[in-house]
Amino acid sequence: DTGVSQDPRHKITKRGQNVTFRCDPISEHNRLYWYRQTLGQGPEFLTYFQNEAQLEKSRLLSDRFSAERPKGSFSTLEIQRTEQGDSAMYLCASSPLWQGLGAGGELFFGEGSRLTVL
Amino acid sequence: GQQVMQIPQYQHVQEGEDFTTYCNSSTTLSNIQWYKQRPGGHPVFLIQLVKSGEVKKQKRLTFQFGEAKKNSSLHITATQTTDVGTYFCAPPGGYQKVTFGTGTKLQVIP
Repeated sequence: DTGVSQDPRHKITKRGQNVTFRCDPISEHNRLYWYRQTLGQGPEFLTYFQNEAQLEKSRLLSDRFSAERPKGSFSTLEIQRTEQGDSAMYLCASSPLWQGLGAGGELFFGEGSRLTVL
Repeated sequence: GQQVMQIPQYQHVQEGEDFTTYCNSSTTLSNIQWYKQRPGGHPVFLIQLVKSGEVKKQKRLTFQFGEAKKNSSLHITATQTTDVGTYFCAPPGGYQKVTFGTGTKLQVIP
């Protein structure tokens, strides 16, 4: 399977614990995105990388969230001191390098990592 | 910032009926994408529209981009139970970034 893979698929944790999610993008894709989705809502942008550089981070993201893509391949999203409001589906997507805003840019999503904070 | 509204929020149709969802922006868009998310699944890219007035078809699905590039629509002809899911329009959210609308959840009654 050469699609985007995410691990773990499900994570149940107690409030205050740290969790880490991993995303392996499609190998030739330069861009990697993290989104969060709660029930009944559309995916909400969190952050994205071009190769190993983190180019943008949502202002909605608190300091408890950190993402890395150390070698420009896989990425990790860590949430420290989890809160019940962090319960959501965390989606990773990858995309080949865009030629510009008017062309390309299709996002390929993984199955997501569902977080439940008790 | 850019405001995009998608209507309706929910739609129930009898199998065989047509369905349309609309995406309206307060600002001109350089392009817009559409995604489908099946229940319990992840978003899957359907199409990208770039040109003013563009119309693209994929079998029973017809996508339109308005002349002013501020609105877009997805029309499904003769819905089938396999069309069930949530349809999202996704305009650019900045440089090389995609944001998602609120989505239209389609339920098809057999």
